[in-house]
Amino acid sequence: QKEVEQNSGPLSVPEGAIASLNCTYSDRGSQSFFWYRQYSGKSPELIMSIYSNGDKEDGRFTAQLNKASQYVSLLIRDSQPSDSATYLCAVKGWANAGGTSYGKLTFGQGTILTVHP
Amino acid sequence: GAGVSQSPRYKVAKRGQDVALRCDPISGHVSLFWYQQALGQGPEFLTYFQNEAQLDKSGLPSDRFFAERPEGSVSTLKIQRTQQEDSAVYLCASSSRTATIYEQYFGPGTRLTVT
Repeated sequence: QKEVEQNSGPLSVPEGAIASLNCTYSDRGSQSFFWYRQYSGKSPELIMSIYSNGDKEDGRFTAQLNKASQYVSLLIRDSQPSDSATYLCAVKGWANAGGTSYGKLTFGQGTILTVHP
Repeated sequence: GAGVSQSPRYKVAKRGQDVALRCDPISGHVSLFWYQQALGQGPEFLTYFQNEAQLDKSGLPSDRFFAERPEGSVSTLKIQRTQQEDSAVYLCASSSRTATIYEQYFGPGTRLTVT
């Protein structure tokens, strides 16, 4: 089982609809959660971070975290064609190397979202 | 200020050649990460530096991969005797580690194609 899993997609929604992207993770000790957007041929761009249970809203984006269920999601309201991209879920856990602990991100495989006019 | 930069953006290497990929992190960022991203997959961790110290190299796929950050800023990922399976996008990310915020910022990546 992968440490971070995303619904495989691709996900296709009409313009103006709500797109819902889901992610589950296996490490209960994970503390921080991130959503990155990656356009084709480009690098990942951080769009949301969430650290506490509940919802966090930023413009048209809402991240939802449920640590008990080990589940994090991203909702995109009023989806636009420019939102078409791959969305990567990343989970921060603690790694230990040489006696030093550091935060380490593990990424899901990404969900391709297509918003059609 | 400037973001993370990487060079070259594209690299074509013949099988067996050595390549060197450069990363310039955001100024002042202590943490630097290298990732490998295969087509259709999420980034996979390769190695981590805290300042000039390489604290974790557990993700390097073989001893042909080597990374350094001698002065705690610019980093180089070197791949010796490249193989076709090394073809991927190599991403560098940096982070300014604080108590409450831990966000990594990615460079544009280097797309390596081994022929």
